Amino acid sequence: TQLLEQSPQFLSIQEGENLTVYCNSSSVFSSLQWYRQEPGEGPVLLVTVVTGGEVKKLKRLTFQFGDARKDSSLHITAAQPGDTGLYLCAGVGGGTSYGKLTFGQGTILTVHP
Amino acid sequence: EAGVVQSPRYKIIEKKQPVAFWCNPISGHNTLYWYRQNLGQGPELLIRYENEEAVDDSQLPKDRFSAERLKGVDSTLKIQPAELGDSAVYLCASSSLWTPGETQYFGPGTRLLVL
Repeated sequence: TQLLEQSPQFLSIQEGENLTVYCNSSSVFSSLQWYRQEPGEGPVLLVTVVTGGEVKKLKRLTFQFGDARKDSSLHITAAQPGDTGLYLCAGVGGGTSYGKLTFGQGTILTVHP
Repeated sequence: EAGVVQSPRYKIIEKKQPVAFWCNPISGHNTLYWYRQNLGQGPELLIRYENEEAVDDSQLPKDRFSAERLKGVDSTLKIQPAELGDSAVYLCASSSLWTPGETQYFGPGTRLLVL
């Protein structure tokens, strides 16, 4: 069974601060996705990282895939209240779990004005 | 273009009662997924359809859960009888193709509370 551990589970910060969310696994994934979910809504895909060591930027969000394709991080610069939400990482499986998404438990981010 | 539509949005039932959830995917999307999201957790896949065929139902508790997608478009997920532990958000998602990393578009979910 492939598992993804996210940390921290909860993050409460002030507007303008920087933060990093981590997603770790003992398993190798073919790619990894990050989602954002707001209350009462489904997750929305932010990015997919495919290559070990890959870095992608989406405005103030920077996503990195570990060299061994087992871990990833999400860094937000100068957080804003609109960034508040649940951030989920999801590993895209290979082998017998081909294409299957395995989600982490999520990080609840609250950005205070 | 309309997104994934789910109904009802909320459902409260007593244990041992049946319940059904409905999902209409994005038009033209052949792949449909049902996920369950427990409080404080990420979604877990229950079943994946390619058109009308259930190609991965390994995580579906078949003793009480059933699903169908008869015409390869909309889908229904049923629980009978419901148990207290079934309280969760049931999410439906769709994608145009089933390829690794293909974007899955999620509906808003049905929040189920079993009393």
